Amino acid sequence: EAGVTQFPSHSVIEKGQTVTLRCDPISGHDNLYWYRRVMGKEIKFLLHFVKESKQDESGMPNNRFLAERTGGTYSTLKVQPAELEDSGVYFCASSQDGFSRGSTDTQYFGPGTRLTVL
Amino acid sequence: KQEVTQIPAALSVPEGENLVLNCSFTDSAIYNLQWFRQDPGKGLTSLLLIQSSQREQTSGRLNASLDKSSGRSTLYIAASQPGDSATYLCAVRHGTASKLTFGTGTRLQVTL
Repeated sequence: EAGVTQFPSHSVIEKGQTVTLRCDPISGHDNLYWYRRVMGKEIKFLLHFVKESKQDESGMPNNRFLAERTGGTYSTLKVQPAELEDSGVYFCASSQDGFSRGSTDTQYFGPGTRLTVL
Repeated sequence: KQEVTQIPAALSVPEGENLVLNCSFTDSAIYNLQWFRQDPGKGLTSLLLIQSSQREQTSGRLNASLDKSSGRSTLYIAASQPGDSATYLCAVRHGTASKLTFGTGTRLQVTL
C-alpha cells in the first residue's frame, strides 16, 4: 500500500511568486492534514480536511495560503504571494475516520516539501 | 493552549544502552498521544499511539507509557542500536479536535 506522497520534494522561489504544493493521501483516508515546520521551531498544524470539506483551518497563518481538496482525494496548498517567512518544510498527513468504532486515528505523514523563499 | 515539551533536546548514548525519552504536556484533556521518529531529510514515521484510556503501548524494543493526570509520556528504547539514531517527536491530540500539537523533539545518536 502506498503511503502519503508529496510533490515537489523541494521548491525554491523568489519572494512574491506563487507556489503550489500537492499531497496525495493514503487511499481511503478521509482525513487529510497540512502541517509545517519553520526553521528551529516545532511542527505546527495548518488545517484539516474531512473528505472535501475544511474541518479546521485555525492554523492557517493568513489569507496568502489557500488549501483545496478536490473530490476528497488529493489536496493542494497554494501560497500566493510567497514571503520570506513562509520558508520551511510543509508536511501532509492522512488518517482514517478517527471517530468510528474500531478505527485507528494514527496520522501517517508524507516526506514533506521543503520550501525556500529567497 | 496546549504546549508540549521534550527533554532532553539531544542525547548521545553508546550502542546497547537502554534509554528513556521524555514528553510533557500542559493540558491533560488529551484524546491520544503519538510518538514519531524522523530521519534527516525524511518524513515522520509513526512509532506508537497511546489512547487516553491506555497506560502503555509496546512495539518491539519500544515501550511508550502515558500518565495523563501528570501530563507525561515516556518512550523507552531497549538495547539501542545505531539504526535508532534519529529525531524522536511526541505529539498530542487534544479532546475532539483532530490536530496534533508537537514537541520540538529529541535528537538521538547511538554510537558504536
